[in-house]
Amino acid sequence: RKEVEQDPGPFNVPEGATVAFNCTYSNSASQSFFWYRQDCRKEPKLLMSVYSSGNEDGRFTAQLNRASQYISLLIRDSKLSDSATYLCAVNVQRSPYSSASKIIFGSGTRLSIRP
Amino acid sequence: DADVTQTPRNRITKTGKRIMLECSQTKGHDRMYWYRQDPGLGLRLIYYSFDVKDINKGEISDGYSVSRQAQAKFSLSLESAIPNQTALYFCATSDPRSRTSYNEQFFGPGTRLTVL
Repeated sequence: RKEVEQDPGPFNVPEGATVAFNCTYSNSASQSFFWYRQDCRKEPKLLMSVYSSGNEDGRFTAQLNRASQYISLLIRDSKLSDSATYLCAVNVQRSPYSSASKIIFGSGTRLSIRP
Repeated sequence: DADVTQTPRNRITKTGKRIMLECSQTKGHDRMYWYRQDPGLGLRLIYYSFDVKDINKGEISDGYSVSRQAQAKFSLSLESAIPNQTALYFCATSDPRSRTSYNEQFFGPGTRLTVL
C-alpha cells in the first residue's frame, strides 16, 4: 500500500462548481499535511498547509480527519484558473528515535475546469 | 532571481552515459531533496540531505548518487543512464526552523531528462 494515495482524476467540472478531493495516508504518526498545486510543466507550489482544526483560504478549505487518516481539499466557486494538478503531501517521521522527518507526496489529482 | 535553480533545464542523452543534474539555492535552507516525477506516479523521493554531512536514500535511490558540495548545492548523478530514468527531475529545499513554513518544500523549475 502506498503511504499517500490520491484519486488521480481527472475531475472535469464546470466553472462555478464545487469540487472536493481526498487524500489518504497510512502512517498514523504523521503530523503535518499539505496541499500543493502544480501547473502543467511547472514545479509544485504550496497551496495550503492543513492543521488539526482544518483551515480556509478564500475559496479553498482544507480539512484533516485523523481517525480515518485522510485530508481533503474543497474548492468552491471554481475558476478556469483553478485547472491544475493538486498534490497532497504528508510529513513522515524518519524514525521513532529522530525528530527529523521527510515529506511524502501523493501522485496528484488532475482538475480541469470548463467554461 | 529564482531561489532554487536547476541546470540543465532539458537534457537528451544516450544509454550508458554519465549525467549530472545540479541544484543551487539562495534560500539558506539546510534541507535539500531530489525527486523524480513520472506520469501517474507523482513525485518520488530519490535522495534527501538534512545538512552537508547528512545524506539519505529515498524510496527510489537505485541507479542514482548525490553529492552535497555545500549548503547551497546538491547534485544528482546518473552513473550510467538507462531509458527508464527518463523523467522530470525536481530539486527542493525546506527549512524546519521556519515557524510559518515548517516543512514547506520549495521546488526548483525542474530538469526534463530523456535517455535514448
